[in-house]
Amino acid sequence: AQSVTQPDIHITVSEGASLELRCNYSYGATPYLFWYVQSPGQGLQLLLKYFSGDTLVQGIKGFEAEFKRSQSSFNLRKPSVHWSDAAEYFCAVGARGSQGNLIFGKGTKLSVKP
Amino acid sequence: DVKVTQSSRYLVKRTGEKVFLECVQDMDHENMFWYRQDPGLGLRLIYFSYDVKMKEKGDIPEGYSVSREKKERFSLILESASTNQTSMYLCASSPPGGGGSEQYFGPGTRLTVT
Repeated sequence: AQSVTQPDIHITVSEGASLELRCNYSYGATPYLFWYVQSPGQGLQLLLKYFSGDTLVQGIKGFEAEFKRSQSSFNLRKPSVHWSDAAEYFCAVGARGSQGNLIFGKGTKLSVKP
Repeated sequence: DVKVTQSSRYLVKRTGEKVFLECVQDMDHENMFWYRQDPGLGLRLIYFSYDVKMKEKGDIPEGYSVSREKKERFSLILESASTNQTSMYLCASSPPGGGGSEQYFGPGTRLTVT
């Protein structure tokens, strides 16, 4: 069965510092991988997704993520965090050939210090 | 621009009431989903539908039912609301494409059952 683990429940970084949010997945084959962001009181918005090919994926708002098959990881990075990046971030995995439902991690809440 | 709308942002109901949460999408998507989101538990799938009048149970269907009479509308029904159903409810839709399709989310309905 598929599963997604986000080891960090809450992370605080200073504005301008770099950011890495961790995501590990469990799946028998190469999955589809997603990162979503949820601002307070809002629904989820897609940041980026990985299907195949280049393992470094660029997304919106200056985010990128790297798929590492050997580590079953899909970590999200940003070189310089802005105060507006404070939100909750969800990693998700989709199974090839499924009906379309995704398995979400429990989320990592990001706080940004001025 | 894809739009998923939910009938209410905030809802307060009494224990035992029948509750309807409505979701409408305007992108002609085949797939629609209902999740509940609780702190520390992430998103949990309640039900999904991949076609009109079709429905599939997700991970936590107990106490809920759904209805999809039209392609654009997916309703979540709490037959007899209970306090443990106090939560944030998120609706999403996606085109066909198996596990690789991006899900588009509504803003959520925060339901309080007293």
